[in-house]
Amino acid sequence: QVQLVQSGAEVKKPGASVKVSCKASGYTFAASAMHWVRQAPGQGLEWMGWINGGNDNTKYSQKFQGRVTITRDTSASTDYMELSSLKSEDTAVYYCLHLEHDGSGYIDYWGQGTLVTVSS
Amino acid sequence: QSALTQPASVSGSPGQSITISCTGTSSDVGGYEYVAWYQQHPGKAPKLMIYDVSNRPSGVSNRFSGSKSGNTASLIISGLQAEDEGDYYCVSYTSSSTWVFGGGTKLTVL
Repeated sequence: QVQLVQSGAEVKKPGASVKVSCKASGYTFAASAMHWVRQAPGQGLEWMGWINGGNDNTKYSQKFQGRVTITRDTSASTDYMELSSLKSEDTAVYYCLHLEHDGSGYIDYWGQGTLVTVSS
Repeated sequence: QSALTQPASVSGSPGQSITISCTGTSSDVGGYEYVAWYQQHPGKAPKLMIYDVSNRPSGVSNRFSGSKSGNTASLIISGLQAEDEGDYYCVSYTSSSTWVFGGGTKLTVL
């Protein structure tokens, strides 16, 4: 079965960087895309970016352009999302999301979420 | 890329039908058949309810349906039940090969 396991909670100071990992299993990782979505406390969902399977091309939301980098280690079936120049407003739960097509339709799989707290 | 526009809240009584709108532009909602809807309960990860405008994943109740007209997509929930209460988000593919969420709608079942 598909599983996405994320790294643990982080506490960072303003200006620092954070790197969240998402280890996948149960599907053809190398050929599949992964999205990254965040949710600040009491706020809505925000799409940050994605990495495409096969060519590892990435696309980022304009809001995070220049601050976010998504990378893939195919040998470890793990994707990473790094966010730099952290501000207090970046305090949020960060999710990885995989959409699987099972032949008849899509199924969504989410990581358990990683809480990143930015505080001085 | 601005967030898609959703009403902040909607409400309905059990058994009724409600509609949640999601308005974008011709560069996102209006330009592609790639609109999805997520349901989220407090403290839980979102759950996919509709994809590609009007398709339901396996296991999602047929009380949930989706449609699109021009730059506005809609989620329709019929036969409202208490368990439908929660937050709903639309998301659309964009002309920049990115995705954008709506601001979210809180559904209250009276």
